[in-house]
Amino acid sequence: GENVEQHPSTLSVQEGDSAVIKCTYSDSASNYFPWYKQELGKGPQLIIDIRSNVGEKKDQRIAVTLNKTAKHFSLHITETQPEDSAVYFCAASSRVRSQGNLIFGKGTKLSVKP
Amino acid sequence: NAGVTQTPKFQVLKTGQSMTLQCAQDMNHNSMYWYRQDPGMGLRLIYYSASEGTTDKGEVPNGYNVSRLNKREFSLRLESAAPSQTSVYFCASSENAGQGNTGELFFGEGSRLTVL
Repeated sequence: GENVEQHPSTLSVQEGDSAVIKCTYSDSASNYFPWYKQELGKGPQLIIDIRSNVGEKKDQRIAVTLNKTAKHFSLHITETQPEDSAVYFCAASSRVRSQGNLIFGKGTKLSVKP
Repeated sequence: NAGVTQTPKFQVLKTGQSMTLQCAQDMNHNSMYWYRQDPGMGLRLIYYSASEGTTDKGEVPNGYNVSRLNKREFSLRLESAAPSQTSVYFCASSENAGQGNTGELFFGEGSRLTVL
């Protein structure tokens, strides 16, 4: 089935700097790549997603890029703020019945220091 | 505007005890899911229900059972709890599940379960 690798597992940046989180996937048929943000004590929440017919998508300070040939996609956060501190999960669509719709990466804990 | 509601939020069990986690959504979604989250392991799918009346095993179904009570409610039952089931459990819903359906997942706030 689909497998998603996510790096780094932890990331610490200074406020105002950029943060980049990278994911690779194994199934070339995957066509949907969402990113979820999980704040402390909360459930994950979708922040941005990209489909395989698009190479880049931007929403204010966050952007996602997709390289289908290399099977990797990345989340970019610019001008980071303390409220960006959270755990971020990438995911990829799966054709495997037991994986439901999505297979998730293991998460990146982002800390933004004031 | 509740979204996905899970109960209880916290529970401590002894090995061998049973319990049921309840989940309800008010978004008229067809599909519902149960995930577990463990440190360093991300989100792993336990069971899901693509539509009312159907359930399917996820990646880690052993030791769990589910019931899709109606379109709104999806419960997760631990018949004989084990320490390995200590985890944070998340219920989620989406408009549709299955190959080709790539809609947003809406998560509840989680239920923290400790098995002693």
